[in-house]
Amino acid sequence: DPKIIQKPKYLVAVTGSEKILICEQYLGHNAMYWYRQSAKKPLEFMFSYSYQKLMDNQTASSRFQPQSSKKNHLDLQITALKPDDSATYFCASSPRGTGRERLFFGHGTKLSVL
Amino acid sequence: QQKVQQSPESLSVPEGGMASFNCTSSDRNFQYFWWYRQHSGEGPKALMSIFSDGDKKEGRFTAHLNKASLHVSLHIRDSQPSDSALYFCAASDGSGGSNAKLTFGKGTKLSVKS
Repeated sequence: DPKIIQKPKYLVAVTGSEKILICEQYLGHNAMYWYRQSAKKPLEFMFSYSYQKLMDNQTASSRFQPQSSKKNHLDLQITALKPDDSATYFCASSPRGTGRERLFFGHGTKLSVL
Repeated sequence: QQKVQQSPESLSVPEGGMASFNCTSSDRNFQYFWWYRQHSGEGPKALMSIFSDGDKKEGRFTAHLNKASLHVSLHIRDSQPSDSALYFCAASDGSGGSNAKLTFGKGTKLSVKS
């Protein structure tokens, strides 16, 4: 029974389009994160949120925008998609965001941009 | 430069053998280390943490940390085919807040041959 739900599991998009990746966690955690994994790079940190506030942003592009409508939701909006954005995007959470906690990951959304 | 470096890139061991992984951090602020495992098609899952110098044992898994050299290792004894996966070392400075993220290495691919 997955406690971190990511939707959709697979996503195909055309260059220039916009997509939203959904993440909901049911662990009661207060910190949520987005990571990206591609063949070229290892698990790469993108954003962290704590108590629905943006704590850290390591993405170079404003095309990536996290959206937190509820405490247990952290969606990722990607605009003007490029083929280089093709990757698997993982949502994760931890109890308080102390930096000394286990991160729990979802199964990921595999994005392919054509 | 990659802040968390792992070796080897891949590893093959016979069933029942010992698998060993290495990790070094180039950032002296990284004092908190984790080992994660990722099976194909899934998100990473935490195996164990190690925050103090010395060894930490959990079942078949033993981690070792040398803070002076910022070197961490993971050893799996009695390896099973189900241990075949991608193994990541991850580190943080433990300060939380805007530094709550974990920085991951590139991973080591383990194959356990039966």
